[in-house]
Amino acid sequence: DARVTQTPRHKVTEMGQEVTMRCQPILGHNTVFWYRQTMMQGLELLAYFRNRAPLDDSGMPKDRFSAEMPDATLATLKIQPSEPRDSAVYFCASGLVPVHGYTFGSGTRLTVV
Amino acid sequence: TQLLEQSPQFLSIQEGENLTVYCNSSSVFSSLQWYRQEPGEGPVLLVTVVTGGEVKKLKRLTFQFGDARKDSSLHITAAQPGDTGLYLCAGASGNTPLVFGKGTRLSVIA
Repeated sequence: DARVTQTPRHKVTEMGQEVTMRCQPILGHNTVFWYRQTMMQGLELLAYFRNRAPLDDSGMPKDRFSAEMPDATLATLKIQPSEPRDSAVYFCASGLVPVHGYTFGSGTRLTVV
Repeated sequence: TQLLEQSPQFLSIQEGENLTVYCNSSSVFSSLQWYRQEPGEGPVLLVTVVTGGEVKKLKRLTFQFGDARKDSSLHITAAQPGDTGLYLCAGASGNTPLVFGKGTRLSVIA
């Protein structure tokens, strides 16, 4: 089965440090999404790309978050500087649009202390 | 802003019981999807419903899309511990990203 691969699975870092999360989407999927999941807010869309072009990043704090897709096999989400309120599980998902369902990775659990 | 409200938020039942969870919105969606998420993993797509009034069955799970395409329900017959997880509904409109509800957290006790 094709899968979305995310690394690292877990990350503990100190406030102020840079964090980079990586995602390998499913080959052939034209859209890649970054979501953040917390108990309070559920799944929040941070940014997404179609055919590697950024379409919308209005869901993320632009002063500290950045999302890129340098090639079709890699998407990155960077936080600099990280803050304790960024602690959450970050998911990457990919899909073929128009929507036929998203395939999610297993997530990166980020803890900022 | 399109919102999906899921109810109940939490549900704890005994093995063998039946249950229904709901997903409601004031917005019309072109399709609606249900996902199940297990601890430590990402959501996994269960089903997509497209037509108003559509009913789809997946073994003991029955999914229904409301006639007006604003709401959906998931019914589980004879729940088993393996059904435990977070059930998420997500609405689609054109090419815009899915809108997710906050989910129903189901616990089935043996």
